[in-house]
Amino acid sequence: LAKTTQPISMDSYEGQEVNITCSHNNIATNDYITWYQQFPSQGPRFIIQGYKTKVTNEVASLFIPADRKSSTLSLPRVSLSDTAVYYCLVNNYGQNFVFGPGTRLSVLP
Amino acid sequence: GAVVSQHPSWVICKSGTSVKIECRSLDFQATTMFWYRQFPKQSLMLMATSNEGSKATYEQGVEKDKFLINHASLTLSTLTVTSAHPEDSSFYICILSRTGGNMNTEAFFGQGTRLTVV
Repeated sequence: LAKTTQPISMDSYEGQEVNITCSHNNIATNDYITWYQQFPSQGPRFIIQGYKTKVTNEVASLFIPADRKSSTLSLPRVSLSDTAVYYCLVNNYGQNFVFGPGTRLSVLP
Repeated sequence: GAVVSQHPSWVICKSGTSVKIECRSLDFQATTMFWYRQFPKQSLMLMATSNEGSKATYEQGVEKDKFLINHASLTLSTLTVTSAHPEDSSFYICILSRTGGNMNTEAFFGQGTRLTVV
């Protein structure tokens, strides 16, 4: 299972764009990259998933370079409610989900 | 998307008693379910993999006789914490996975159970 490395914490202000980068140097060919958001005492929530290049949905964008050894989650114009822990996971079907420590994002007013 | 129902959402029990946590898949058949545990300000740690119709696979350091897992049907897995102690107080989450249209892995999370042992 590919190991992931993320910053432990980040601070931002309301209205700013936040970019969280995850390193996954030993990602396998069949692995997908998925980002989850978790609020206290709740299960993680799916944000976005990608394999390569750029993926965008209504809440975030995911940038994956050609070598796929890293990925960047981009949250446009964050609000206070985006304060949470963000996990980057890399896995393939049939594998369990290995959660790293995640990135604790604090959005300040 | 698929819905996973986990109950109870929170439970307080006395030390020495047993607590059962249910994880139910509401709209797809899950042959595999994963049970995770999360202590305060820590990440989710895999406890065991529950396979329908067979014994669960436990991670190193997780006592199989203490954390009983039953996956009797394709839509229900249960985790029973037996003879609970205060150090078992934690947040327990089940995760179901299935293959997406592109052979990617889709994960569906239970709401989590906050267990407090007093």
